[in-house]
Amino acid sequence: DADVTQTPRNRITKTGKRIMLECSQTKGHDRMYWYRQDPGLGLRLIYYSFDVKDINKGEISDGYSVSRQAQAKFSLSLESAIPNQTALYFCATSDPRGRTDTQYFGPGTRLTVL
Amino acid sequence: GESVGLHLPTLSVQEGDNSIINCAYSNSASDYFIWYKQESGKGPQFIIDIRSNMDKRQGQRVTVLLNKTVKHLSLQIAATQPGDSAVYFCAENIKSGGGADGLTFGKGTHLIIQP
Repeated sequence: DADVTQTPRNRITKTGKRIMLECSQTKGHDRMYWYRQDPGLGLRLIYYSFDVKDINKGEISDGYSVSRQAQAKFSLSLESAIPNQTALYFCATSDPRGRTDTQYFGPGTRLTVL
Repeated sequence: GESVGLHLPTLSVQEGDNSIINCAYSNSASDYFIWYKQESGKGPQFIIDIRSNMDKRQGQRVTVLLNKTVKHLSLQIAATQPGDSAVYFCAENIKSGGGADGLTFGKGTHLIIQP
């Protein structure tokens, strides 16, 4: 969905490096989410934010941190990357004022930690 | 562990046939369910949703059925087309305190369309 963008789309890094993945949205949604996807495991929630003053841990937050710089921006950081953080990372947004809780996903960032 | 899962990892159907993708969930508190389609190299794309106060909902060529008694969800795709080839995920959402947390996803079913 072009309304939700992620940068970079691909990244290769080394163990111990700090990495930031960025997400921007033009949908005007208050809620934003970060998921990781591993083969055979589906998507798992890392962190979510209901507005710029609200940050919540998801199912697998260890080793990650987030920053909600503005309504439209939500960044995910790996302070010291490790190989088992190699995965596909997705940002998503939702609008609690809408009819549903449908989440809209970005195109993903493929991260490889060597 | 996963509270939402799929019965079959891969489903192969003939073009033009109907496809049925199944999903089981374990949390009876779940009140909102979504089916997503994920094509290779792309993010999940919303297909159809259903709330727990409904048993059936229809969209364009797709129908979602919800059986709360056995905690089962299915996605039916009519007249399957090559463009339907993708991985399909079911997801559930549990309302807590009036808010909506992140979705819990099943592992996905890969739908393969045979010519």
